[in-house]
Amino acid sequence: RKEVEQDPGPFNVPEGATVAFNCTYSNSASQSFFWYRQDCRKEPKLLMSVYSSGNEDGRFTAQLNRASQYISLLIRDSKLSDSATYLCVVTMNTGNQFYFGTGTSLTVIP
Amino acid sequence: DADVTQTPRNRITKTGKRIMLECSQTKGHDRMYWYRQDPGLGLRLIYYSFDVKDINKGEISDGYSVSRQAQAKFSLSLESAIPNQTALYFCATSDLWGSAGELFFGEGSRLTVL
Repeated sequence: RKEVEQDPGPFNVPEGATVAFNCTYSNSASQSFFWYRQDCRKEPKLLMSVYSSGNEDGRFTAQLNRASQYISLLIRDSKLSDSATYLCVVTMNTGNQFYFGTGTSLTVIP
Repeated sequence: DADVTQTPRNRITKTGKRIMLECSQTKGHDRMYWYRQDPGLGLRLIYYSFDVKDINKGEISDGYSVSRQAQAKFSLSLESAIPNQTALYFCATSDLWGSAGELFFGEGSRLTVL
């Protein structure tokens, strides 16, 4: 079983829509959680960390549910520039390794 | 200039050839990683290093070797390249004491093995 699983999509949404991605992780010892963004043929970049209390950064909201072992990313008022692949990332309590989901593809349509 | 630099950015080679991908960083981070990315499989860890004397195998180390020549340099070698090593390779760094959890990636090295 993969450490981190995501729905690959693709998600095709109109501008202004709200879209949500979920990610599940298999190891209950997982300690740190992140969303990365990867544009086509580019390197991944950190979008936001995910905290137990949930966190918000502008139009982006990330939440963690430890009991059900999933994290989510909500994007409100989607922009064309949000089109990318969103990667769910988990580290174990040692922080030695980062485990990546396969990514969820988002295309925002005019 | 990029903080994490990979060379070459693109390489086409033949089966059986030895290939080296190089990574250098100016971030002063101790931790360095090599990943490969394949469509549908995501990023998978090949090797990682926490300092110059530390080398650790990742999820898919077979067929690869690494060298940590200095804090700033981490090279990945394919001793005898095979077609299923065709992939996009990323080097990354992180700082245990800094922004916990953030990986800083190079721009990637696209390798094609014919």
